[in-house]
Amino acid sequence: QKEVEQDPGPLSVPEGAIVSLNCTYSNSAFQYFMWYRQYSRKGPELLMYTYSSGNKEDGRFTAQVDKSSKYISLFIRDSQPSDSATYLCAMTGSNYKLTFGKGTLLTVNP
Amino acid sequence: DAGVIQSPRHEVTEMGQEVTLRCKPISGHDYLFWYRQTMMRGLELLIYFNNNVPIDDSGMPEDRFSAKMPNASFSTLKIQPSEPRDSAVYFCASRIAGTGTQYFGPGTRLLVL
Repeated sequence: QKEVEQDPGPLSVPEGAIVSLNCTYSNSAFQYFMWYRQYSRKGPELLMYTYSSGNKEDGRFTAQVDKSSKYISLFIRDSQPSDSATYLCAMTGSNYKLTFGKGTLLTVNP
Repeated sequence: DAGVIQSPRHEVTEMGQEVTLRCKPISGHDYLFWYRQTMMRGLELLIYFNNNVPIDDSGMPEDRFSAKMPNASFSTLKIQPSEPRDSAVYFCASRIAGTGTQYFGPGTRLLVL
């Protein structure tokens, strides 16, 4: 079993839809959880950062962490064509080595 | 802040040649990471440094790969000799101590023919 599992998609939605992206993990030591957004031919950029369990909201984006289920989610409300990108979940424990999911390719159609 | 800077942005070389990739981390960041990204394997950590000292190089694929960080503002990743299977996008990232978040450079797209 891989440490981090992420459905690669691709995921295609109409503009304005709510998007749900998810990752599962197996390492109980993970305590920092991140979502990165990567546009084509660009480096990953940090989108959301959460410590331990709970929810965090930033504009149209909400990150959720459920450590008991080893499951994290990213919700995008009112999705826009500019949200079209690959979304990578990442997580780490006290050693701060990030373990990434393989990414989900999202396309938001106008 | 200029962010993490990498050079070159693109590199095309022939098998057997030496390739050197360069990275300048964000000023004040004391951790530096080298990653490789491919479609098949995703984003893989190759090596990381703390205060210019290599801490974990377990992700370096083989002896053909080496990395150095001679000072806090510069690091290199060298492949010698290069092989076609080394073709990938190589990213450098840095972070500040006490946080889990890393900031990535734009990457070097390497093609070995």
